[in-house]
Amino acid sequence: QVQLQESGPGLVKPSETLSLTCTVSGGSISSYYWSWIRQPPGKGLEWIGYIYYSGSTNYNPSLKSRVTISVDTSKNQFSLKLNSVTAADTAVYYCARATVVPAAATVWFDPWGQGTLVTVSS
Amino acid sequence: SYELTQPPSVSVSPGQTARITCSGDALPKQYAYWYQQKPGQAPVLVIYKDSERPSGIPERFSGSSSGTTVTLTISGVQAEDEADYYCQSADSSDTYQGVFGGGTKLTVL
Repeated sequence: QVQLQESGPGLVKPSETLSLTCTVSGGSISSYYWSWIRQPPGKGLEWIGYIYYSGSTNYNPSLKSRVTISVDTSKNQFSLKLNSVTAADTAVYYCARATVVPAAATVWFDPWGQGTLVTVSS
Repeated sequence: SYELTQPPSVSVSPGQTARITCSGDALPKQYAYWYQQKPGQAPVLVIYKDSERPSGIPERFSGSSSGTTVTLTISGVQAEDEADYYCQSADSSDTYQGVFGGGTKLTVL
């Protein structure tokens, strides 16, 4: 059974870059899409973007100018970089496997990692 | 941008039926998905493709679709079902971008 685990700094200074890594275990990262989703404290879920194991990406238009998602198949990991962060980027960041079915024009997320809280503060 | 609308809260007594709705203009053409999130935990998929139930999800969870509204129904609600529930769909037919509803807090009285 596939499991995902987020890792990275829990505190980032304003204007700097948030960097997180998701390690996939129990299965190969190949042949799937992988996503990042975030949740500000006490608020709802926001999709950030996803990457195919081959490297093609799809980002939330509201974050696209600041987001980069990359994949390292040799390590079974994928990563998130969000630059020029502000306090509004404080959130629990989740990684998840995305299932994308172009023929049905649909996408969903399962399973999810446990999430990691990233606080933006000086 | 595309939005999915959920009621902020739903309350139900144990053993009763809870219905949580999600509305969106593209839902007649897009599948919907439902996630359960308990405090301090990651979301868990409970319904996919409008009405399919993943393995391991109790039969009391079901989903339906009618026009621009999809509904998560929990029959015979148990105390352990108290959680936040989020609907999710795709932005449009050619972008495959994820969109989440604002979430509904289910309270078991």
